[in-house]
Amino acid sequence: GNSVTQMEGPVTLSEEAFLTINCTYTATGYPSLFWYVQYPGEGLQLLLKATKADDKGSNKGFEATYRKETTSFHLEKGSVQVSDSAVYFCALIGRSSGSARQLTFGSGTQLTVLP
Amino acid sequence: NAGVMQNPRHLVRRRGQEARLRCSPMKGHSHVYWYRQLPEEGLKFMVYLQKENIIDESGMPKERFSAEFPKEGPSILRIQQVVRGDSAAYFCASSLRGDQETQYFGPGTRLLVL
Repeated sequence: GNSVTQMEGPVTLSEEAFLTINCTYTATGYPSLFWYVQYPGEGLQLLLKATKADDKGSNKGFEATYRKETTSFHLEKGSVQVSDSAVYFCALIGRSSGSARQLTFGSGTQLTVLP
Repeated sequence: NAGVMQNPRHLVRRRGQEARLRCSPMKGHSHVYWYRQLPEEGLKFMVYLQKENIIDESGMPKERFSAEFPKEGPSILRIQQVVRGDSAAYFCASSLRGDQETQYFGPGTRLLVL
């Protein structure tokens, strides 16, 4: 079956530090890959996505590149802000029938950015 | 363009009562998904519906849980005879089409069973 493995948290950084949150996946075929962000007490917001190998998703200074050879989709940001403090989820939707509709999530990584 | 709406945002029930969670998808979206986030756990898929049809309920507990998405009105997730272990955040998502289409999430319903 499909699975997503995320870097264990929590992660605490100072403002303007560089951020990397690792994400690797297992899936048959070529899944679509997503990063969602969840602020306290809220739902999940789509941060970025990539649908095929070597695609780079980007939004609000965050980037992630779909690496088929390493089955990875690591999230990066060059300079984090206090407002980036949230839980980040890596997720995939598979291509095989039956899995092509449900998101499979990683366990989430709590990020805290200190001023 | 309004996003995915869920209500109530918070719901408190006593053991044995019924919980009804509602979800209105984004305008124009006919695909609805329900996910559950248990404390200290990640998000798990429960069920996928299109209008009047359950397409995939492989993540739904076999007993006490049911879902519907009628021709008119919101999708409903119903939990009968709730137990403390049902306490969780329940999120609804919608997409324009199925099959790897991006899913947009609502704010969730936090269910607390006393």
